[in-house]
Amino acid sequence: AQSVTQLDSHVSVSEGTPVLLRCNYSSSYSPSLFWYVQHPNKGLQLLLKYTSAATLVKGINGFEAEFKKSETSFHLTKPSAHMSDAAEYFCVVSDRAPAGNTPLVFGKGTRLSVIA
Amino acid sequence: AAGVIQSPRHLIKEKRETATLKCYPIPRHDTVYWYQQGPGQDPQFLISFYEKMQSDKGSIPDRFSAQQFSDYHSELNMSSLELGDSALYFCASSLRGRGGVGTEAFFGQGTRLTVV
Repeated sequence: AQSVTQLDSHVSVSEGTPVLLRCNYSSSYSPSLFWYVQHPNKGLQLLLKYTSAATLVKGINGFEAEFKKSETSFHLTKPSAHMSDAAEYFCVVSDRAPAGNTPLVFGKGTRLSVIA
Repeated sequence: AAGVIQSPRHLIKEKRETATLKCYPIPRHDTVYWYQQGPGQDPQFLISFYEKMQSDKGSIPDRFSAQQFSDYHSELNMSSLELGDSALYFCASSLRGRGGVGTEAFFGQGTRLTVV
């Protein structure tokens, strides 16, 4: 079975400084990995995805993540935080099983605060 | 582009009442997922359908049932509602993907259910 561990429940950064949100995963097959962002009282927006192509994935709003199989990690980064980045971020895994992809499993989420 | 449509967006019910949530997936998507997100929680997988047949089952209570119809829309039926059922309910759709091909899920805006 697949699972996700988000190592920080809350991260606080100053505007203009780098962002690092950490995620480790486990999977029984080859994983597909995603980062979703959720602003307060809003739906889930896909930031980026890894589905077996390039290991360094670029997403929207300047975010990127690197799939590291040896470390079972998929950390999310951004060079310079913006106030509008303040939100809840979810790391998500799905197994690419032979019979079909398994349902998405969410991590517990990391709340990102950006200080002016 | 068409997205996943959920209705209603908001719903208020009393304890012990029933509720029906509807989901219209993206055209040609063959898989529908239902998730429940309690206040301050990560989304929890409830149930999924592939080609109108139940494919995976998560933490869905026995009081809840779901089905997918011939036009691929899905309904989540909730009976004997409890205060703890108050949550944001998301529907997502995707192409299932086989043979190790990863695909992403697209989420609707969610239905916020409040049980009073």
